[in-house]
Amino acid sequence: AQRVTQPEKLLSVFKGAPVELKCNYSYSGSPELFWYVQYSRQRLQLLLRHISRESIKGFTADLNKGETSFHLKKPFAQEEDSAMYYCALSGDGTASKLTFGTGTRLQVTL
Amino acid sequence: DTEVTQTPKHLVMGMTNKKSLKCEQHMGHRAMYWYKQKAKKPPELMFVYSYEKLSINESVPSRFSPECPNSSLLNLHLHALQPEDSALYLCASSQLSWTTSGPDTQYFGPGTRLTVL
Repeated sequence: AQRVTQPEKLLSVFKGAPVELKCNYSYSGSPELFWYVQYSRQRLQLLLRHISRESIKGFTADLNKGETSFHLKKPFAQEEDSAMYYCALSGDGTASKLTFGTGTRLQVTL
Repeated sequence: DTEVTQTPKHLVMGMTNKKSLKCEQHMGHRAMYWYKQKAKKPPELMFVYSYEKLSINESVPSRFSPECPNSSLLNLHLHALQPEDSALYLCASSQLSWTTSGPDTQYFGPGTRLTVL
């Protein structure tokens, strides 16, 4: 079974402060990890995936297989980062089940 | 066209009605998905189609009937729904990866907000 845990429902930070959204997963095979973001009144969209090792909008995430974690980080939060963030896991296979964590709402205040 | 579109945006139906949700993509993706999202909850997978064939059914009640008439279209037929089926229904699509890089990114539509009275 695949499982994703996001321990924080809400994370509130000041503009310019560092951000870390936590994500832990459980999966017996070789997982593919994603971060999806949902801005207010917009569709769910991909922020980044671990295999591409990209930095998108200043966000990065490193897969730590030893700790089974995929935390999302950004050194300096911006107001426009306020959104709902979902960590998601996809198992082996070409069209497979995407399991989402419960989501963390990031609130960036002045 | 790089988007997944869904119609209608909103749907209100009674428990005895029959209605359909429609999803369309023109990105050449050969995998399509239906998710259900309740308020303040993450999306939950319902169905997966690969090459127009149903490959995953997450034990969804038979009052939800998916259909994939061609590689660009995905329908969800609704019949005899219950009020607890009220939710945002999301469609997604992706490529089918055949490399060791694993499954490809899923692209989501805006959803259909369904209310069952």
